[in-house]
Amino acid sequence: DAGVIQSPRHEVTEMGQEVTLRCKPISGHDYLFWYRQTMMRGLELLIYFNNNVPIDDSGMPEDRFSAKMPNASFSTLKIQPSEPRDSAVYFCASSFIGRTEAFFGQGTRLTVV
Amino acid sequence: GESVGLHLPTLSVQEGDNSIINCAYSNSASDYFIWYKQESGKGPQFIIDIRSNMDKRQGQRVTVLLNKTVKHLSLQIAATQPGDSAVYFCAESTNRDDKIIFGKGTRLHILP
Repeated sequence: DAGVIQSPRHEVTEMGQEVTLRCKPISGHDYLFWYRQTMMRGLELLIYFNNNVPIDDSGMPEDRFSAKMPNASFSTLKIQPSEPRDSAVYFCASSFIGRTEAFFGQGTRLTVV
Repeated sequence: GESVGLHLPTLSVQEGDNSIINCAYSNSASDYFIWYKQESGKGPQFIIDIRSNMDKRQGQRVTVLLNKTVKHLSLQIAATQPGDSAVYFCAESTNRDDKIIFGKGTRLHILP
């Protein structure tokens, strides 16, 4: 397996634009996590899915953020409209149920200007 | 993925020496405590975990110690190598929901 695949690796967008981040988890994994990493706040869990169903979205900062998982092999994190304070590295990770080993993608570095 | 930067505590260790990275946790209800390593430009990578009913677990060149009395977790790396240079995160998880919550990181710097 190629591991967790995220796209794009880098995204630069203007304030107010819609941004969509994509993730392909490892085949067969039950959980998919979206994290955000910044210098000030560290690694924050935004939302996670179990078998494509959102379980906990309490970490999603605002209504501007939304995430979907239409099938077991694809998830998106959307920010609309984007703001400069959304600039961060966004990671997707996946794991088997009951396991503490989550496999992370390379991340998407988002810059909102 | 750039790891947390300027505000991280840093531990500098001579190559070949042992490293000890510490972490204080807050959730007594956690069932697992976990260590992850993040190298520059990459996502975090699992190192080792320990159940909450244990106080020590050993892996290859790493040992994790858990002191529930003072809510303290540590990661010991034996014979530190240049490849160990990274940011290390402690994390927690519960059996109830399996979500993994990360703590603050520590940057490990290896001196030649």
